[in-house]
Amino acid sequence: GAGVSQTPSNKVTEKGKYVELRCDPISGHTALYWYRQSLGQGPEFLIYFQGTGAADDSGLPNDRFFAVRPEGSVSTLKIQRTERGDSAVYLCASSLTGALGANVLTFGAGSRLTVL
Amino acid sequence: AQRVTQPEKLLSVFKGAPVELKCNYSYSGSPELFWYVQYSRQRLQLLLRHISRESIKGFTADLNKGETSFHLKKPFAQEEDSAMYYCALQTGANNLFFGTGTRLTVIP
Repeated sequence: GAGVSQTPSNKVTEKGKYVELRCDPISGHTALYWYRQSLGQGPEFLIYFQGTGAADDSGLPNDRFFAVRPEGSVSTLKIQRTERGDSAVYLCASSLTGALGANVLTFGAGSRLTVL
Repeated sequence: AQRVTQPEKLLSVFKGAPVELKCNYSYSGSPELFWYVQYSRQRLQLLLRHISRESIKGFTADLNKGETSFHLKKPFAQEEDSAMYYCALQTGANNLFFGTGTRLTVIP
C-alpha cells in the first residue's frame, strides 16, 4: 500500500477483555515496529520485527502483550486481560531494512485503545 | 540508561522570530539522533537526522557531544511550523527512544 495502515483506528473495550490491533506495513518493508504512546508522552518502543521474527521484544511491558508477523508483512499486536493502564495510542512503523540510521521510519496513524 | 529530555512541553513564538527546541540526551554509546514531527491531524514523520547534516523546511540541528544536546533551530518561524516535535535517540541497532515532545505554536 501507499502507507502504513492500522486497524482499528479506535477501540473501546472493557477491563479484562482481549484485544487485537493490526498493522499493514508498506509493501517491501522488512522491518516493522510497534510503539505505544500514552497521553502527554512520547512514543515508547514495544517490539521490532525483521521479517517474520521478533528481533527485539524488550519493550513489551509484560506477558499480556504479544505480537506476531507470520508472513513477514502484516503484524498483529495482541493484548490479553486488558487493564485501564493499557489505554494509549498504539503506533506501528515500518522501514525498508531496519537500519535506522540509513532508513526512514514511516508511521501509521495509530490505533487508539481505551480500556474502561 | 538512556534518556532524552525535552524540557519545554509548550513553546510559543511569533511568526518570523527564531525558534529553538531543546533536546538533551544521556547515552553511554555513540549517539544517533533524530527529530520527528507531528502536524495537526497527521502522522508522526521524520524531520531530520543528525548523520545527514541536512536542513529540512529551514530547520537544522547540530549534535553537541560536549553538552549532550541536539537542539532544533530555525531562524524565522512560519505558521506552518506549528506542530508537536519529538527528539529521538537511537539505542542499539534498531530502537528509537523518544523524548516527551514539545508543542510549538507559531503566533501570526
